[in-house]
Amino acid sequence: EAQVTQNPRYLITVTGKKLTVTCSQNMNHEYMSWYRQDPGLGLRQIYYSMNVEVTDKGDVPEGYKVSRKEKRNFPLILESPSPNQTSLYFCASSTTSGGPLNEQFFGPGTRLTVL
Amino acid sequence: RKEVEQDPGPFNVPEGATVAFNCTYSNSASQSFFWYRQDCRKEPKLLMSVYSSGNEDGRFTAQLNRASQYISLLIRDSKLSDSATYLCVVNSHSNYQLIWGAGTKLIIKP
Repeated sequence: EAQVTQNPRYLITVTGKKLTVTCSQNMNHEYMSWYRQDPGLGLRQIYYSMNVEVTDKGDVPEGYKVSRKEKRNFPLILESPSPNQTSLYFCASSTTSGGPLNEQFFGPGTRLTVL
Repeated sequence: RKEVEQDPGPFNVPEGATVAFNCTYSNSASQSFFWYRQDCRKEPKLLMSVYSSGNEDGRFTAQLNRASQYISLLIRDSKLSDSATYLCVVNSHSNYQLIWGAGTKLIIKP
């Protein structure tokens, strides 16, 4: 089954404790992206990647890191989480021709709470 | 002004009715427009792209008005299963980034 998976689905952590949210897709998509979704705001892009070893900042990259060592995986790293990073996070992927202008397939989301 | 604005709703609509909502965007250079659907606490899923000439997919019709910089979504013969939040999406100055509206919540009542 074609899908994007994220882990963990739910996470409660404390300020300053490094964490990684994994994202994996099995559709051989080149383009992958991370978003956060907060009440009253639209999805905001954190980072995106056009292909392996190619990443770029989105609109709200501060406090986050990403890597793209393999085509299927695009982990999101919070080196020192803070309460303002409490949010619902989505990973998405799509084919390169057009990047996100093609249909984006989203993971199920990770609900992160930073105390 | 937000780059993409939507009425948050909720729109409470009886089953079988027709409902329409708009989304305005600020970047006149935007070329790509989409409607995504998001069920409560779930991931967004593409509903339809919006083409310049307008397009229809079953009960759903999307239109683009470049002069007034808005896109619209019309749902005919609404079903209970149409209850969801509808997200308007527009490409930014970069073709590899999208700007998302905060969504319009639709509730279809029996």
